[in-house]
Amino acid sequence: GAVVSQHPSRVICKSGTSVKIECRSLDFQATTMFWYRQFPKQSLMLMATSNEGSKATYEQGVEKDKFLINHASLTLSTLTVTSAHPEDSSFYICSAPTEGGEQFFGPGTRLTVL
Amino acid sequence: GENVEQHPSTLSVQEGDSAVIKCTYSDSASNYFPWYKQELGKRPQLIIDIRSNVGEKKDQRIAVTLNKTAKHFSLHITETQPEDSAVYFCATHSGGYQKVTFGIGTKLQVIP
Repeated sequence: GAVVSQHPSRVICKSGTSVKIECRSLDFQATTMFWYRQFPKQSLMLMATSNEGSKATYEQGVEKDKFLINHASLTLSTLTVTSAHPEDSSFYICSAPTEGGEQFFGPGTRLTVL
Repeated sequence: GENVEQHPSTLSVQEGDSAVIKCTYSDSASNYFPWYKQELGKRPQLIIDIRSNVGEKKDQRIAVTLNKTAKHFSLHITETQPEDSAVYFCATHSGGYQKVTFGIGTKLQVIP
């Protein structure tokens, strides 16, 4: 199957700083990518849909000015958590879909905000 | 939008027994129904999927059934093993590059 990478795998930062997470499709082009957040013992919650060459689509309740998404190429989407706070600590996962709907997930990024 | 309900939220079975997880959905346009297994701290892994033109699909000890009329689908794991212990998510999708909607997850524990 297709491979999606994510970097970094873990990040610890101080409150108020910004953190950038990269999601790459390694062997296929992804015009669309999805960003999820997963709190402990909970399901994956879709945050936004990243579209190559256009603005991201955010789910209700997700602050677009806090979670900046850039999909600058067909293989890379980035999520920047701006002015991070402890409540932003979570497991962030990206995925890239095929046209048939199958999702290829990245390995996830564990963000801890002190 | 789509609403996916999954139950049970936790399930404990003895090794060798069967486990069944059920999901219902609301959007009749959904036509792709994957099941994911997620181990702690890792990415979800697709274990089996079914499309709306099929009623049942089986892959070794894992099977999925779909009832489009009733809008529900189920995951069946037979001869469970300790390594089956994980969180399982059902999901629905309406085609193309549309978003996937996940159920809340079921934590399966297989007791040796």
